[in-house]
Amino acid sequence: QQQVKQSPQSLIVQKGGISIINCAYENTAFDYFPWYQQFPGKGPALLIAIRPDVSEKKEGRFTISFNKSAKQFSLHIMDSQPGDSATYFCAARVLNTPLVFGKGTRLSVIA
Amino acid sequence: EAEVAQSPRYKITEKSQAVAFWCDPISGHATLYWYRQILGQGPELLVQFQDESVVDDSQLPKDRFSAERLKGVDSTLKIQPAELGDSAMYLCASSFNRDAEAFFGQGTRLTVV
Repeated sequence: QQQVKQSPQSLIVQKGGISIINCAYENTAFDYFPWYQQFPGKGPALLIAIRPDVSEKKEGRFTISFNKSAKQFSLHIMDSQPGDSATYFCAARVLNTPLVFGKGTRLSVIA
Repeated sequence: EAEVAQSPRYKITEKSQAVAFWCDPISGHATLYWYRQILGQGPELLVQFQDESVVDDSQLPKDRFSAERLKGVDSTLKIQPAELGDSAMYLCASSFNRDAEAFFGQGTRLTVV
């Protein structure tokens, strides 16, 4: 049973556009929701994370929106650049337990 | 900048052979994870250590996989015998404690032929 469902599987965005990736979860005990960015041949790197006591967190061009009642959270990349082309993973964790990951979204930003 | 070190980066092995991967976490990180990532999928936990103790190995195929972290620092993941379905990226991650953010190494790409 997949604990974190991520969509879309792939995404193509024009340079300068907004990339939006969504994740949904069922376990209401999750208390930490990070997004990871992974380039080919590399390990995942933490991009931004949020805890359920806030509805939005912004770091530069990256924003997490969190909807606790809907059990959904999303990543928004503003002014998307070709260098943002990578695979993005949402994840979630119950306190003191390992992260569980979504299946990933392959983002391509085209000029 | 401190990093999680993994070796080797790439490994090709024949079916039924033994293979081992090594991970050196960020200094001071008590929690260490091994994840397996199949191409096109998200990482899936194999085993979690807190210092030298295994905290969670519920998803580790114990008939062929073993993991150790004898002195609570670096760790080794072993597969014996390797099967074709074991071809994947093996990722090591570490965190200061179980509630802290996890940092991943670059992984070991295993191909079983």
